[in-house]
Amino acid sequence: SQTIHQWPATLVQPVGSPLSLECTVEGTSNPNLYWYRQAAGRGLQLLFYSIGIDQISSEVPQNLSASRPQDRQFILSSKKLLLSDSGFYLCAWRPDRVYGYTFGSGTRLTVV
Amino acid sequence: KQEVTQIPAALSVPEGENLVLNCSFTDSAIYNLQWFRQDPGKGLTSLLLIQSSQREQTSGRLNASLDKSSGRSTLYIAASQPGDSATYLCAVTRETSGSRLTFGEGTQLTVNP
Repeated sequence: SQTIHQWPATLVQPVGSPLSLECTVEGTSNPNLYWYRQAAGRGLQLLFYSIGIDQISSEVPQNLSASRPQDRQFILSSKKLLLSDSGFYLCAWRPDRVYGYTFGSGTRLTVV
Repeated sequence: KQEVTQIPAALSVPEGENLVLNCSFTDSAIYNLQWFRQDPGKGLTSLLLIQSSQREQTSGRLNASLDKSSGRSTLYIAASQPGDSATYLCAVTRETSGSRLTFGEGTQLTVNP
């Protein structure tokens, strides 16, 4: 069966520090992968999506970047965190558009 | 640009009541619609997926309907329980591969014992 793993669950980082959040999917190949952010009191915002290795689309210009070094691995990064980067980050995947999305358990990031 | 609206924003009901959550979207060119549940501080759990060619889907006490032409979906919860308390989100996918989900703001449901 397919599973999605996301870590860490919680992260507190100082302003200006780097960030690396990792997401991996098991039990499937060539999934579509997504990074979403949910800020406090706001809806879910798509940050990046990827339909294949090294194929990444950015939805919102910002302080973050994404990489997909392997088929089932999706990484969200930042070189220097801002206070506004605080939020709940969710990774998601789906096999193709016929299927629904499956979300990971999320990472709560607090930038201090 | 696709916009998804959910009404009501919050709902409080006594245990055992049947209830309906509403979702509307502005662009009817969707591929499918998905209902999720989110518990506080947790990720999203998929409840039901409706393809654009379908009219409804059922899972246990949940029934979701889709009227693509009018841009509406409803989530019906029968015999509500305190464990149903959560935020319910609907989201639509456009008719292109790799495309994103567009989410509504959610309905926060509280079922009182």
